Amino acid sequence: AQSVAQPEDQVNVAEGNPLTVKCTYSVSGNPYLFWYVQYPNRGLQFLLKYITGDNLVKGSYGFEAEFNKSQTSFHLKKPSALVSDSALYFCAVRDIDTGFQKLVFGTGTRLLVSP
Amino acid sequence: DADVTQTPRNRITKTGKRIMLECSQTKGHDRMYWYRQDPGLGLRLIYYSFDVKDINKGEISDGYSVSRQAQAKFSLSLESAIPNQTALYFCATSDPGQLNEKLFFGSGTQLSVL
Repeated sequence: AQSVAQPEDQVNVAEGNPLTVKCTYSVSGNPYLFWYVQYPNRGLQFLLKYITGDNLVKGSYGFEAEFNKSQTSFHLKKPSALVSDSALYFCAVRDIDTGFQKLVFGTGTRLLVSP
Repeated sequence: DADVTQTPRNRITKTGKRIMLECSQTKGHDRMYWYRQDPGLGLRLIYYSFDVKDINKGEISDGYSVSRQAQAKFSLSLESAIPNQTALYFCATSDPGQLNEKLFFGSGTQLSVL
């Protein structure tokens, strides 16, 4: 079965510094990878996706993610963090083993950006 | 107005009670989902529906049932609530036919079973 792992429960970064939220995946075949963000008291919002093509994917709010096939990783990045980026971030992979290609989510990483 | 609306936002109930969580959407999507979120476990799929006549179990459907009353409405029921069903519940929708289809989530229902 397809799966993703988010090895860090929490990431702390100072405002203005670059941030990275890590995700590794395990899939059979081509990976379809996603990042979602959850702000306090809100549902998850789509940030970006990787299907095929360029390894650097750009998304909403200045975020980008780097797909690395050899390391089976799909890390989320931002050059300069904002306090408003503080949220819960989920990596997800589309499970193509079943007839229904559902999304399988990681356990989430809480990002705290300090002023 | 939100595209995916969940009611209630918060609910406290007692063990053994029947509870219904409701979800409605204005996005015109055929696919609807119910997830639960638990700290440290991420989101897990409870049920999903591809259209009004198509209901499918997800990975943790035991103790839950659903009803798809219309394309826009998908409700989740706990027939006899138990404390380990305390969680944050999300409804979501998606537009079918694309491998890169993305989910649109409601704001969630925080359920506490005492």
